[in-house]
Amino acid sequence: DTGVSQNPRHKITKRGQNVTFRCDPISEHNRLYWYRQTLGQGPEFLTYFQNEAQLEKSRLLSDRFSAERPKGSFSTLEIQRTEQGDSAMYLCASSPTGIGNTIYFGEGSWLTVV
Amino acid sequence: DQQVKQNSPSLSVQEGRISILNCDYTNSMFDYFLWYKKYPAEGPTFLISISSIKDKNEDGRFTVFLNKSAKHLSLHIVPSQPGDSAVYFCAASYNTDKLIFGTGTRLQVFP
Repeated sequence: DTGVSQNPRHKITKRGQNVTFRCDPISEHNRLYWYRQTLGQGPEFLTYFQNEAQLEKSRLLSDRFSAERPKGSFSTLEIQRTEQGDSAMYLCASSPTGIGNTIYFGEGSWLTVV
Repeated sequence: DQQVKQNSPSLSVQEGRISILNCDYTNSMFDYFLWYKKYPAEGPTFLISISSIKDKNEDGRFTVFLNKSAKHLSLHIVPSQPGDSAVYFCAASYNTDKLIFGTGTRLQVFP
């Protein structure tokens, strides 16, 4: 399977704990995106990388959120001091640059903060 | 500021008939538009896209129409099949920037 891979698929955590999600993009894709989706909403942009450079961060990404892509391959999204409002599906996607902007999503990581 | 809008939260269509899903956008700078399909507990799956230099793109049962003057696009599925039942998102981008998504339309295809 050469699609976008995310883990863990599901995470239940207590409020105040830290969580980390990992994303492995399609291997030849330079761009990697993180989105968040809550019930009844479309995916909301959080941040994206071109290789290892983080090019844009949404204002939705508070200082409790940090994303890295240290070697331009896989990426991690860490949420510190989780809050119940962080409960959502976190989606990773990747795309090659220069070919329109079709992005390909992974299966998503469900976060439930209790 | 919702730049991409899907005003119909749901649509119910009989199998074999045409499904038409609509999307409106406000940013005239958008130059690339896409439709994604999403099943519960899965990530969105890319369906079809269209560049702003075109007004129609077709792929099998799926056709996307773009009306730039009206800032409107639509997805036509014909004939509709029960397996098409899912949530459909339209998305738009400018200059290969990030995608902005609408809130989705839930399509139900019944026998």
